Amino acid sequence: QVQLVQSGAEVKKPGASVKVSCKASGYTFTSYGISWVRQAPGQGLEWMGWISAYNGNTNYAQKLQGRVTMTTDTSTSTAYMELRSLRSDDTAVYYCARGVYPFDYWGQGTLVTVSS
Amino acid sequence: QSALTQPASVSGSPGQSITISCTGTSSDVGGYNYVSWYQQHPGKAPKLMIYDVSNRPSGVSNRFSGSKSGNTASLTISGLQAEDEADYYCSSYTSSSTPFGGGTKLTVL
Repeated sequence: QVQLVQSGAEVKKPGASVKVSCKASGYTFTSYGISWVRQAPGQGLEWMGWISAYNGNTNYAQKLQGRVTMTTDTSTSTAYMELRSLRSDDTAVYYCARGVYPFDYWGQGTLVTVSS
Repeated sequence: QSALTQPASVSGSPGQSITISCTGTSSDVGGYNYVSWYQQHPGKAPKLMIYDVSNRPSGVSNRFSGSKSGNTASLTISGLQAEDEADYYCSSYTSSSTPFGGGTKLTVL
C-alpha cells in the first residue's frame, strides 16, 4: 500500500533553516511527483510547490521563491523540502503528498515551530 | 487571502444534502477541468474526495459528487452522516500553481 512517512517535529529559531523528509513506499517513486502543502495553526491549506521525482523539475509557489528548495533521492525514495530564513509565520504543519495533481496520498505531517 | 473562495461554514442535518461552492477565475477553476476536493478531520491529513471536477477515487462514497459551472465548482454531499463533519478544501491545478480555497467547515447538526 502507498505510504508517505515524514520526519519528526522541529523547533527552529528565526533565521534558521529546516529540512523535512518524506519517505515513499508502495509504488514506483519516479512515476509520480511529490507536492508540499503547509497549514498554519487554525488556518487553511497552502500549496508550496512540487518536484518531479522523474527528472527533478520543480515548481515553487511565488511567495516562497528563493527560500524553498525541494529535492529527491531516488535511491531511497525520499523527498526533501528545505525552507530557509525561517520566520514566525512559517510555523505550520508541513505535508508531503503524492502527485502534482491531484494529491492522492498524504504524509502524516511534520510540525515546524519557529520561535525565539 | 486564498485564491479560491469558499464559504466559511455550512451545516445540515443527518440525511440531508449540502453543497459547498468554490469560486475562482477563468485562469484557474474556469479554465481547466482540474478541480479537486479534500476532506480534513481535526488533527489528520487531508483526504482526496473528488478530482477532475467530478471523479471519485476508489473507496470514496458515492454520496460525494462534484460539478462545475463557469468559474465555480461545487461539492455536494448527500445523505449527510455524522462522520462527514470535517473541513473541506477545493483546489484548482494550473500550469503555474495549485491554489487551495480557504476551506469550509461542515457541521452535521
